Amino acid sequence: EAGVTQSPTHLIKTRGQQATLRCSPISGHTSVYWYQQALGLGLQFLLWYDEGEERNRGNFPPRFSGRQFPNYSSELNVNALELEDSALYLCASSFPPVTGKNIQYFGAGTRLSVL
Amino acid sequence: AQTVTQSQPEMSVQEAETVTLSCTYDTSESNYYLFWYKQPPSRQMILVIRQEAYKQQNATENRFSVNFQKAAKSFSLKISDSQLGDTAMYFCAFNTGANSKLTFGKGITLSVRP
Repeated sequence: EAGVTQSPTHLIKTRGQQATLRCSPISGHTSVYWYQQALGLGLQFLLWYDEGEERNRGNFPPRFSGRQFPNYSSELNVNALELEDSALYLCASSFPPVTGKNIQYFGAGTRLSVL
Repeated sequence: AQTVTQSQPEMSVQEAETVTLSCTYDTSESNYYLFWYKQPPSRQMILVIRQEAYKQQNATENRFSVNFQKAAKSFSLKISDSQLGDTAMYFCAFNTGANSKLTFGKGITLSVRP
């Protein structure tokens, strides 16, 4: 069975541009989570989507947004890129929390570099 | 606020020996879950072990076991018979049932020496 897949693996952008990162969850999972892993800042929660709706948002500016599609895949968009947005972006998926099966399985990440 | 603290930035262990990684957390919730994740250089985050707070019995997965001390809010990971493939960064993490975002510690880099 396929795990969580993320694309692209690497993404290089310049300051002010927009970046789009994609994530496909494990089959049967409806929840998708996005995390930022920046050097020196550790892993920070960005966004949680479930059944197409944004359920929770971390302490990030509105430049960070996303959506979840009917097939439960998800996009993370980062507008007006800044140098400090350079990080590894990890996507995770799980069954809905109400099921009690709340283990999050992670993809290999997208490395975003802002020049 | 919920916090997870991993105070040791790095550790080293000889192959086949046992090592314990420390983690403490803070929460006012009564229903929560604790996790240890492993992130090797390939950067894929892999679940090592999970503990439900309402369960008194410590979780065990093969060579990995935890020492869960609820009153002390401590959740340490013991790796027995360390293998070279255990070399990775290890993150302690926490979430509640309702708010399922994971809160992570800063991680510890574990090196297994041959």
